[in-house]
Amino acid sequence: EIVLTQSPATLSLSPGERATLSCRASQSVSSYFAWYQQKPGQAPRLLIYDASNRATGIPARFSGSGSGTDFTLTISSLEPEDFAVYYCQQRSTWPPALTFGGGTKVEIK
Amino acid sequence: QVQLVQSGAEVKKPGASVKVSCKASGYTFTSYGISWVRQAPGQGLEWMGWISAYNGNTNFAQKLQGRVTLTTDTSTSTAYMELRSLRSDDTAVYYCARDRTVADYWGQGTLVTVSS
Repeated sequence: EIVLTQSPATLSLSPGERATLSCRASQSVSSYFAWYQQKPGQAPRLLIYDASNRATGIPARFSGSGSGTDFTLTISSLEPEDFAVYYCQQRSTWPPALTFGGGTKVEIK
Repeated sequence: QVQLVQSGAEVKKPGASVKVSCKASGYTFTSYGISWVRQAPGQGLEWMGWISAYNGNTNFAQKLQGRVTLTTDTSTSTAYMELRSLRSDDTAVYYCARDRTVADYWGQGTLVTVSS
């Protein structure tokens, strides 16, 4: 069973700063790797798919990189609406299954 | 536009069953699968299972195997998740998500509360 470990658990930053979120897999995963943003009381929102592709309507300040076991989500300059919890996720091809990381909370410093 | 609309909140007693619906619109239902994900209060996201809307193939998280059933009704573009033998730790918000190679569109969530 693949385990995704996100770090840090909490990131305290100010608007305008750069955020770097990490996700490490316990073994090499497929290219079906995604990042989600979740705000209180809302469903997760897809940000990045296939490790580095922005989903429809996602601002260019969000970028994803990585392969194998190490993946990164970067927010180049935090906007007030970016303070939220972020989850990484990998999807196995067959049988289809999703695995989520434990989440990183980006909070206002 | 793609939309997944879930049924309303439920309150159940321990040992009971719950069935949550997820009505899809704005895309060809049978071209995608549906994943179900739950989130306990203050906790992270937990994948429960996946169903192909094309042929009904399923795959489940091991810890829920035997307690969860996933079905679809292609005539109404609706997916269903039934969870049996409910326990207090099944209290959570349950989400459906359109899933082919990525879970890209999500329902609004359904709160299921298990309490005696």
